Amino acid sequence: QVQLQESGPGLVKPSETLSLTCTVSGGSISSYYWSWIRQPPGKGLEWIGYIYYSGSTNYNPSLKSRVTISVDTSKNQFSLKLSSVTAADTAVYYCARLNVVVPAAINWFDPWGQGTLVTVSS
Amino acid sequence: EIVLTQSPGTLSLSPGERATLSCRASQSVSSSYLAWYQQKPGQAPRLLIYGASSRATGIPDRFSGSGSGTDFTLTISRLEPEDFAVYYCQQYGSSPPRFTFGPGTKVDIK
Repeated sequence: QVQLQESGPGLVKPSETLSLTCTVSGGSISSYYWSWIRQPPGKGLEWIGYIYYSGSTNYNPSLKSRVTISVDTSKNQFSLKLSSVTAADTAVYYCARLNVVVPAAINWFDPWGQGTLVTVSS
Repeated sequence: EIVLTQSPGTLSLSPGERATLSCRASQSVSSSYLAWYQQKPGQAPRLLIYGASSRATGIPDRFSGSGSGTDFTLTISRLEPEDFAVYYCQQYGSSPPRFTFGPGTKVDIK
């Protein structure tokens, strides 16, 4: 079955750019939407954005000015860049597949990666 | 922007009891856009219900979802020891297009 694995630095300095990659195995990245979701320690879940395999994106308006999500279909990977980070960006970052069933547009996130903790600190 | 409210914040129950979790939206939400997830400590969320009432693959039938409009419910008919966790509802809103999660309900052992 499809599995997702996040990778990237666990520590980022304030004002720098957080960069993470999600590798999809057991299936093709094509024909699906792929998303990033984060969870600050002890808190709830926040959707960051998604990308379609063709490259079209949609971001959370609250993060839009700092977020870039890209896809590399040749590597079966998609990536997250979050610029100008502060301590408030410290969180476990999850990648997940966004499933959409047309025409009703029923949607849900599944599967999820195991998550990776990114700490913003000098 | 649609805001989701979940109640109660914590539900203390014993194994074998019935759990009823509420998710209320600030505006009407299409049932197609409502999902429920379970999260255990140190683990990623796990999809339970999508489309408000459809169980995900492999989810036991003791989990059921219902509701429409602004009020949705996740019911666990008889709690098993492995069901003690945090549960989140999630919705998709089209204006502006975004996904939001509720704050979660923790189901713990009484």
